[in-house]
Amino acid sequence: DAKTTQPPSMDCAEGRAANLPCNHSTISGNEYVYWYRQIHSQGPQYIIHGLKNNETNEMASLIITEDRKSSTLILPHATLRDTAVYYCIVIKAQGGSEKLVFGKGTKLTVNP
Amino acid sequence: DTGVSQDPRHKITKRGQNVTFRCDPISEHNRLYWYRQTLGQGPEFLTYFQNEAQLEKSRLLSDRFSAERPKGSFSTLEIQRTEQGDSAMYLCASSLRENYNEQFFGPGTRLTVL
Repeated sequence: DAKTTQPPSMDCAEGRAANLPCNHSTISGNEYVYWYRQIHSQGPQYIIHGLKNNETNEMASLIITEDRKSSTLILPHATLRDTAVYYCIVIKAQGGSEKLVFGKGTKLTVNP
Repeated sequence: DTGVSQDPRHKITKRGQNVTFRCDPISEHNRLYWYRQTLGQGPEFLTYFQNEAQLEKSRLLSDRFSAERPKGSFSTLEIQRTEQGDSAMYLCASSLRENYNEQFFGPGTRLTVL
């Protein structure tokens, strides 16, 4: 699975959009981009995933560049409860073990 | 609450003792995963089951570790002769055939080995 690079930490003001970047320059054609987050003392939580088109759900939006070498997770109106570590994971489509390979992620702090 | 439960939530044990953790996945999920997380790191894959079959084990899973999933429902993870380096959060996750990569995690069991 492709390796990802994320900034170790970011800050965001409550109510503003949080834009979390992820580089995955070695991604291959059959690999998806998944985002998870982990709030302190809880297990990771799935947020969103995409292949090449932009995706949106009730939690976030995922923007993937045309060359698929990077992506951005957008939390449109961050709240204090969005303070967490956010993990960007690149993983093949179904057919493997689907084990998630977590890096260190980005620690997002939402400030009042 | 994701629907995945783990028991116990915390375990303190002395070095050399055996410990066993339990995970109850979401009932219709046929895949079950175990991960381990140490402070400041992301979770690391240990092993996974498809129904009752254990299909992959990480090299992190030494011979002191054993996992089972009898009847393809709940799973147990046992650590024999615990060492201080086993202190970590042990996370269980489950997923459906339709999207194995969307995994639902339990709250974890925090193990402290004294």
